[in-house]
Amino acid sequence: RKEVEQDPGPFNVPEGATVAFNCTYSNSASQSFFWYRQDCRKEPKLLMSVYSSGNEDGRFTAQLNRASQYISLLIRDSKLSDSATYLCVVNPNNNAGNMLTFGGGTRLMVKP
Amino acid sequence: GAGVSQSPSNKVTEKGKDVELRCDPISGHTALYWYRQSLGQGLEFLIYFQGNSAPDKSGLPSDRFSAERTGGSVSTLTIQRTQQEDSAVYLCASSLAWRDTQYFGPGTRLTVL
Repeated sequence: RKEVEQDPGPFNVPEGATVAFNCTYSNSASQSFFWYRQDCRKEPKLLMSVYSSGNEDGRFTAQLNRASQYISLLIRDSKLSDSATYLCVVNPNNNAGNMLTFGGGTRLMVKP
Repeated sequence: GAGVSQSPSNKVTEKGKDVELRCDPISGHTALYWYRQSLGQGLEFLIYFQGNSAPDKSGLPSDRFSAERTGGSVSTLTIQRTQQEDSAVYLCASSLAWRDTQYFGPGTRLTVL
């Protein structure tokens, strides 16, 4: 079983749609959680951190469910520019250091 | 300010040759990380540095891979006797301190023929 699992998609949605991605992680001791965005042939960029209380940044809402070990990302009012791969990222914050464990990514394609 | 930079951006080499990849972290960032992204695969952690030391090298795929960091800044990832399966994008990231947000460089695309 992969440490971080995501539906690879692609999710094809029209502009203006609301779309949600989920991700599950296997290490129950994980401490930090993130969503990164990666455009084609570009480096990953931090989209937002994910907190237990849930957090919102404009059209993006992230939630964490520690009991079920899943993380979600909701995008409202999708824009063409939201088309990218969204990476669910977990930081176990164990003694081995701050390396990030990435899911395989969920590809989103927003169409006119 | 300047972000993480990596060089070369692209490298094509022949099987069996050695290659050296370079990463310049954001100025003042003490932690530096190397990841690898193979075609169609997720990012795979390789090694990280806190200052000049690398506490955990267990992510390196084989003993052909090594990395060093000098002066708490620039890092080089060296792959000896490259194999075709080494073909991937090698990404470097840095963070202000070891628990802080990681910022990625543009990567080096390595192709081993």
